[in-house]
Amino acid sequence: DIQMTQSPSSVAASVGDRVTISCRASQGISTWLAWYQQKPGKAPKLLIYAAFTLESGVPLRFSGSGSGTDFTLTISSLQPEDFATYYCQQAHSFPWTFGQGTKVEIK
Amino acid sequence: EVQLVESGGGLVQPGGSLRLSCAASGFSFSSYWMHWVRQAPGKGLVWVSRISLEGSSTTYAEVVRGRVTIARDNAKNTVYLEMNSLRAEDTAVYYCGRDWGSGYLDLWGQGTLVTVSS
Repeated sequence: DIQMTQSPSSVAASVGDRVTISCRASQGISTWLAWYQQKPGKAPKLLIYAAFTLESGVPLRFSGSGSGTDFTLTISSLQPEDFATYYCQQAHSFPWTFGQGTKVEIK
Repeated sequence: EVQLVESGGGLVQPGGSLRLSCAASGFSFSSYWMHWVRQAPGKGLVWVSRISLEGSSTTYAEVVRGRVTIARDNAKNTVYLEMNSLRAEDTAVYYCGRDWGSGYLDLWGQGTLVTVSS
């Protein structure tokens, strides 16, 4: 199975800050990567797929980059509604695997 | 409204069985692969299973293989997850999600909680 490792596990930030979350795959996955946002008690929401393609309706302050084994999710200017947990997911091969999550908290 | 609605969760004893349902509405259900993903309390997301457009192809995570069966009824716009020989470690919120074939879940249900306990 492909292991996905996110860092950091949590980050404390203020509104307006730039936040970067990393995701590393245990083997090359090309650009078969998605990012999801999950708020407490809610289902995950797709933000970015194919490593850098923004899902329809997702604000432009979210962006994704990377290929192969190293990927990044960037929030350019953190908004109050962005405090949540973020997961990466590889879709290169089954079983699909997710990172352990990164919690973005209020500083 | 485009949505997925899960049902069927509940409290079940170890070794018991449960069938989860996920009803789709507002889109062409038969055009999407369907998946189940679970999340244990306070933990991360774990992919469980997927089924092809017409149900002829299924895939399972190793941790549930042999105990779980995924199926779909395109006439009823519903995907199912039949779970047997349930264990305490199967306790989780189970989400269904749709996949247009590119490998990502662009729509999720609200989840249904399965608790395995005596």
